[in-house]
Amino acid sequence: GAVVSQHPSRVICKSGTSVKIECRSLDFQATTMFWYRQFPKKSLMLMATSNEGSKATYEQGVEKDKFLINHASLTLSTLTVTSAHPEDSSFYICSAPRIAEQFFGPGTRLTVL
Amino acid sequence: GDSVTQMEGPVTLSEEAFLTINCTYTATGYPSLFWYVQYPGEGLQLLLKATKADDKGSNKGFEATYRKETTSFHLEKGSVQVSDSAVYFCALMAEGSSNTGKLIFGQGTTLQVKP
Repeated sequence: GAVVSQHPSRVICKSGTSVKIECRSLDFQATTMFWYRQFPKKSLMLMATSNEGSKATYEQGVEKDKFLINHASLTLSTLTVTSAHPEDSSFYICSAPRIAEQFFGPGTRLTVL
Repeated sequence: GDSVTQMEGPVTLSEEAFLTINCTYTATGYPSLFWYVQYPGEGLQLLLKATKADDKGSNKGFEATYRKETTSFHLEKGSVQVSDSAVYFCALMAEGSSNTGKLIFGQGTTLQVKP
C-alpha cells in the first residue's frame, strides 16, 4: 500500500521556539494532505487541509499564524508550530489521500517544555 | 455538525473471545463509514469501510454493517487474537466530501487481548 512518512517522530523543544514537522508521501503524489492533532485518550482533530500550490484551509478555531502549513511539492507538506508553548504539546498526524483512501503517517510527538 | 461516538475503552478480552466495539454517528444524508486501526508505534490503517446503507465491510475477520436506521457501524470479530491489540477508530466522511477526503473521527477505543 501507499506509504506516508513523518519526520521527526518525536521532538522536545523549549517554550517560545518553533518546530517544523514534515509529512511525505513516499510512493505517490498528493495535491492535498491533512494535518490532525491527537490528545491523550481523545480523537483525532482535523487542524487543516494542506493544498499544493495554494494556501492551506484551516478548521474553525485553529490559529493560522500559530500553525503554519506549507505544501512545497506534490510529495511534501510541512507543519510549523511557531512560538511553541506547553499547551501545544500533542501528537500530530498527517494523512494523504490516494484512490479514495486516506494513508496516515506514523505521527510526531511534540513536547514543549 | 457531524460527529462520531465510540464506546469508552479500554476493552480487555481473553484470546478467542468475541469482540464488539460500538460506534454511532450523527450526520445528514448518507456518509461513508470507516474503521481504522492504530497499532503501537504505527500510523492509522484502514481496516474496513462501508459507503451505503446495509453495506457490510469486512477484513481480517472483522466486520461492521452500516445501519442507517440506528445510525450505527459497530465493529465485531468472532475470535480475537493477541495481535489484534490496538486502538480502533470509527470515522465518517460526509456525503459529498469524497473529493476533499475530510474524515471525522470517534475518540478511539483501546483493545487489549490477553493470552
